[in-house]
Amino acid sequence: DAGVTQSPTHLIKTRGQQVTLRCSPKSGHDTVSWYQQALGQGPQFIFQYYEEEERQRGNFPDRFSGHQFPNYSSELNVNALLLGDSALYLCASSLRGVGYTFGSGTRLTVV
Amino acid sequence: KNEVEQSPQNLTAQEGEFITINCSYSVGISALHWLQQHPGGGIVSLFMLSSGKKKHGRLIATINIQEKHSSLHITASHPRDSAVYICAVRNYGGATNKLIFGTGTLLAVQP
Repeated sequence: DAGVTQSPTHLIKTRGQQVTLRCSPKSGHDTVSWYQQALGQGPQFIFQYYEEEERQRGNFPDRFSGHQFPNYSSELNVNALLLGDSALYLCASSLRGVGYTFGSGTRLTVV
Repeated sequence: KNEVEQSPQNLTAQEGEFITINCSYSVGISALHWLQQHPGGGIVSLFMLSSGKKKHGRLIATINIQEKHSSLHITASHPRDSAVYICAVRNYGGATNKLIFGTGTLLAVQP
């Protein structure tokens, strides 16, 4: 039984570019949450998707957007990348907000 | 002030020592998670608590709902326990019950 799968594992982008990160939830889970973890900090909530809709959003600008597909997988898109967007992006899946399982994250470096 | 506070931020212990990491929170919660994060980013869920105490191997987690406080104990610590330990609370209310993370405790167990 696969856990949460995130791709890619590492990514280097240039300022101003756009990036798409992907997450496949654990089998049986229907909810996907995205978190940003800056170096030395705890993860910060970006948003959560359930039933293909964004259900709640953290304090992140509109440059951060997402999508959930009918198979429950999800994408995180970041436009107009800034140096400060460099971080580990974590995806966590759950069944209606219960029983979180985390992916290994995508390390994004913006240069 | 952060909604979830952990102490200490850094902890160095000798192999075999008993270790305690503390977590205090200021919001209403439906559950509290203790997570372990190794270098490279991957997060593993250790415990999910809503009351009382749980034990798994050498790890023990307790929570006092009235005092809004939880502790993670590691008995007979070992160098392989070296990691960042993160407390996260599932915020009660709203449509998503999002997780709010502490900044983590960096534990180094020396042989």
